[in-house]
Amino acid sequence: NAGVTQTPKFRILKIGQSMTLQCTQDMNHNYMYWYRQDPGMGLKLIYYSVGAGITDKGEVPNGYNVSRSTTEDFPLRLELAAPSQTSVYFCASSYSGENTEAFFGQGTRLTVV
Amino acid sequence: DAKTTQPPSMDCAEGRAANLPCNHSTISGNEYVYWYRQIHSQGPQYIIHGLKNNETNEMASLIITEDRKSSTLILPHATLRDTAVYYCIVRVRSSGSARQLTFGSGTQLTVLP
Repeated sequence: NAGVTQTPKFRILKIGQSMTLQCTQDMNHNYMYWYRQDPGMGLKLIYYSVGAGITDKGEVPNGYNVSRSTTEDFPLRLELAAPSQTSVYFCASSYSGENTEAFFGQGTRLTVV
Repeated sequence: DAKTTQPPSMDCAEGRAANLPCNHSTISGNEYVYWYRQIHSQGPQYIIHGLKNNETNEMASLIITEDRKSSTLILPHATLRDTAVYYCIVRVRSSGSARQLTFGSGTQLTVLP
């Protein structure tokens, strides 16, 4: 009963490096989301997807890219890491955008130095 | 989506009921009230949601005022494991489009032994 799985759990990047945060869900959910959470703050939406092949920007998309080639996977790409991207990243999924609960992964703690 | 206002922090004695208030005075007729919580360093967890009737599940009860401008989440017998940040979110019931959850700062509930 895995739910939403994120990898890695922790990562340290140097400025200018790139990386991909992986997210996979096994609940056959159509909707998937990426959020970031800065210390002491609420979650902010980066990107979301309503199904395979469809993605859209959230509140804070700059510096990130996503793709959704399958229903299960929704990777988040950082091309040129910056200190401002130091944060905890959460992936979530839901069956639809309507009136349904969202399930969250355990997060990826990223530090850019 | 309507804005919500929650107290930044609350304490509750273990075994007592925890009553967490939320004001959403600009809520419109098609917006649901959702509650999530986030235990330290973990991903947010869905608790309950409702439209206008009071709701109860195995975790909590949700009381929505008749004018729907405020609500209260009730944890009937708080335990130390209920110590978390609790988020009240209002969200439009969409029709095919993804409606992201917009998280505010929430209420830090501390259950005291």
